[in-house]
Amino acid sequence: EVQLVESGGGLVQPGGSLRLSCAASGFTVSSNYMNWVRQAPGKGLEWVSVIYPGGSTFYADSVKGRFIISRDNSKNTLYLQMNSLGAEDTAVYYCARDVAAAVVRWAFDIWGQGTMVTVSS
Amino acid sequence: QSALTQPPSASGSPGQSVTISCTGTTSDVGGYNFVSWYQQHPDKAPKLMIYEVSKRPSGVPDRFSGSKSGNTASLTVSGLQAEDEADYYCSSYAGSIKEVFGGGTKLTVL
Repeated sequence: EVQLVESGGGLVQPGGSLRLSCAASGFTVSSNYMNWVRQAPGKGLEWVSVIYPGGSTFYADSVKGRFIISRDNSKNTLYLQMNSLGAEDTAVYYCARDVAAAVVRWAFDIWGQGTMVTVSS
Repeated sequence: QSALTQPPSASGSPGQSVTISCTGTTSDVGGYNFVSWYQQHPDKAPKLMIYEVSKRPSGVPDRFSGSKSGNTASLTVSGLQAEDEADYYCSSYAGSIKEVFGGGTKLTVL
């Protein structure tokens, strides 16, 4: 079965760091365009970051310089390292796969269940 | 990039059709055919309903259709059913390797 399972969320103090994981099954993370999308409580969706099959990484302006997307091919797992966290980063974080593996389509057909990150003192 | 503009709410009776709009600019919706629509039920992950303006993923009923005119994309749900009640989000590629979402529309089936 094709699925994504996130982990690593929790409560962190302002200025702190957290690493999220997204374990994939049924497909190969490194062969796909993989994204992180977040949703603040009661709010809409916000795209966060993408990693291309070739390894290039890109970020939303709101997280650039603070978040790092990466993957471990041997573990078929996607990561999001989040640093210098602020209250505005409080959200459910989803990992999501682009619908096409060959050429990016900017549409996400497989989503994880989400992991909650709360930034608070 | 600013979020795409969607109406906060929409409604229709069972069997009717409803259309949800998504307005952007020439830098996103109007500039690319990478417009997608997602359905999200409470406390669930989003589900892809439409991609590349009008394509339906396998398993999505043909009651769901998408279109675009200029800077505005639209999602039409025909033959409304109770299970269609959910939040709907549009998204678009916005250039410079970035994606932007709409603020979401809560669809109520009366």
